[in-house]
Amino acid sequence: SAVISQKPSRDICQRGTSLTIQCQVDSQVTMMFWYRQQPGQSLTLIATANQGSEATYESGFVIDKFPISRPNLTFSTLTVSNMSPEDSSIYLCSVPPGPGQGAGGYTFGSGTRLTVV
Amino acid sequence: AQSVTQLDSQVPVFEEAPVELRCNYSSSVSVYLFWYVQYPNQGLQLLLKYLSGSTLVKSINGFEAEFNKSQTSFHLRKPSVHISDTAEYFCAVSPRSGSARQLTFGSGTQLTVLP
Repeated sequence: SAVISQKPSRDICQRGTSLTIQCQVDSQVTMMFWYRQQPGQSLTLIATANQGSEATYESGFVIDKFPISRPNLTFSTLTVSNMSPEDSSIYLCSVPPGPGQGAGGYTFGSGTRLTVV
Repeated sequence: AQSVTQLDSQVPVFEEAPVELRCNYSSSVSVYLFWYVQYPNQGLQLLLKYLSGSTLVKSINGFEAEFNKSQTSFHLRKPSVHISDTAEYFCAVSPRSGSARQLTFGSGTQLTVLP
């Protein structure tokens, strides 16, 4: 399965600022997913990032708040814009199983623990 | 669309006792089923998965889960837990086909193993 390098692993940010989270995959993948895990909650899908097209956002998430870039098949960024304390969460990227891997489970980045003060 | 319900948010259990973490799902299409584990301050790890074939699937650390199609359940069990099994456990599903193959997660169950 793919290996994902996600950074930063954690950050403490001032409200009103923005943070960009990066995910680098060791193989080419068509789709990448971005999730948010609020304190004590499960994972919620923010958006699906496809290379060469606009990201698809889930209900409750908008591009102005969470712009996503997908410049190639191995890299994606998620920016959390104009942050408030309510944005304090763990953010994770994920990729589905690749060709030939069947449905062998999705791979997740190690997560970015964001605290907004 | 899919939804996943984990009925127990917290499960405390004594070491060496058996445990069952419940998971039910709802979907209009056929799905794959997964259990993920998140140890304290760590990322998500795949614990086990059901794709097809035998409805009983097992992990290398003694957990097993059984797919019950009629009850749309995928409960996770372990006959004897260890302190090191303390973690958050997430049940998840994904569609077997189609372009929207993202995972849908349950709300998670915090398993705490007591000495």
